Amino acid sequence: AQSVTQLGSHVSVSEGALVLLRCNYSSSVPPYLFWYVQYPNQGLQLLLKYTSAATLVKGINGFEAEFKKSETSFHLTKPSAHMSDAAEYFCAVSGNTGKLIFGQGTTLQVKP
Amino acid sequence: GAVVSQHPSWVICKSGTSVKIECRSLDFQATTMFWYRQFPKQSLMLMATSNEGSKATYEQGVEKDKFLINHASLTLSTLTVTSAHPEDSSFYICSARYGALPSYEQYFGPGTRLTVT
Repeated sequence: AQSVTQLGSHVSVSEGALVLLRCNYSSSVPPYLFWYVQYPNQGLQLLLKYTSAATLVKGINGFEAEFKKSETSFHLTKPSAHMSDAAEYFCAVSGNTGKLIFGQGTTLQVKP
Repeated sequence: GAVVSQHPSWVICKSGTSVKIECRSLDFQATTMFWYRQFPKQSLMLMATSNEGSKATYEQGVEKDKFLINHASLTLSTLTVTSAHPEDSSFYICSARYGALPSYEQYFGPGTRLTVT
């Protein structure tokens, strides 16, 4: 069985500040991990994914995430927040079946 | 990049009627498509997995007779909400998988907002 827990349903940062969105996973098989972003009334866009290659994964729009097996974590970071980063972020895990299991989501607010 | 479209983007229907939502992969062939449901301010809930040419696999708790899924070609899957009721109002999102495990990509459509009155 697989599950994802996103710590913090709402994160607020100032423009230019570090963004840190937390994700912990549980998986009985080696996981594939993903971060998606969703803007209001839109579908999901893939930011980055981990598929057992490098543990530090770089994605689009300056985001990156580090897979830490010992901590069962896959936190998403961005050094400097931009107003356009305000959105809903979802962490997801997938196993051998290819089905994505999503976390509850984290709303990122960026203050000017 | 790969594009997945959904039609319609929003629909309002009366209680008791049926609504069909289309999901198309525009520039790639998708052997597997997924249908999700999302309530306001909530996460995506997987409803079913649709494989081309075979019956869809529904997640536990999803009524297969209410949510009919057809995957007739490698680029088209449809979700029909039969005898819709207000509690079926939701945001429905499809996704299409490209490639094989483990190096696959899953692309999401823009979603369809269904409101049942």
